[in-house]
Amino acid sequence: AQKITQTQPGMFVQEKEAVTLDCTYDTSDPSYGLFWYKQPSSGEMIFLIYQGSYDQQNATEGRYSLNFQKARKSANLVISASQLGDSAMYFCAMSPNQAGTALIFGKGTTLSVSS
Amino acid sequence: GAVVSQHPSRVICKSGTSVKIECRSLDFQATTMFWYRQFPKKSLMLMATSNEGSKATYEQGVEKDKFLINHASLTLSTLTVTSAHPEDSSFYICSARELGYKNIQYFGAGTRLSVL
Repeated sequence: AQKITQTQPGMFVQEKEAVTLDCTYDTSDPSYGLFWYKQPSSGEMIFLIYQGSYDQQNATEGRYSLNFQKARKSANLVISASQLGDSAMYFCAMSPNQAGTALIFGKGTTLSVSS
Repeated sequence: GAVVSQHPSRVICKSGTSVKIECRSLDFQATTMFWYRQFPKKSLMLMATSNEGSKATYEQGVEKDKFLINHASLTLSTLTVTSAHPEDSSFYICSARELGYKNIQYFGAGTRLSVL
């Protein structure tokens, strides 16, 4: 069975600092994708970053980077130079690389950025 | 990224009425769309997978007669909450998967349903 685990219910960081949000996963599929989404209080789910199971390099998208450690089955999100607008709920998700398959989500981590 | 439009964003209705929520992929075709339900400060719970031109696949515990899903075209899926009751009040959000290397799922803005 596939599972995503986010062990940090809440994280606090000061502006301009970096923060790491933890995510571990479990799957028996050899080919899969890992995703991070941001959900601000408005409710929309914003796609942040993707990591494929066969990707050799860690994914990066602007201030977001994904620390992918395949042997440990972890896919931590690193946000550099935090901004007040980064305060939101963050979800780690995964799915097999097959058309028509839904994402499996973790429970989420609430990030609070203070000035 | 691709755009998924969801309407309405908020609806308040009386108990016993039916509510239809639309989900459209605006700049790509989606043979599959997904419907999720989310309770406050909780994760997304998959309700059903909507397949264009065929019946939806519902997750265990989701009443298919209460949550009717229609995926009539490659860009539109609808969720109808029939005979809504206060316990159906929730945040409903749809997504569509853009086929490609990453198979990224893009989400609508969600619908907040309040049943009085």
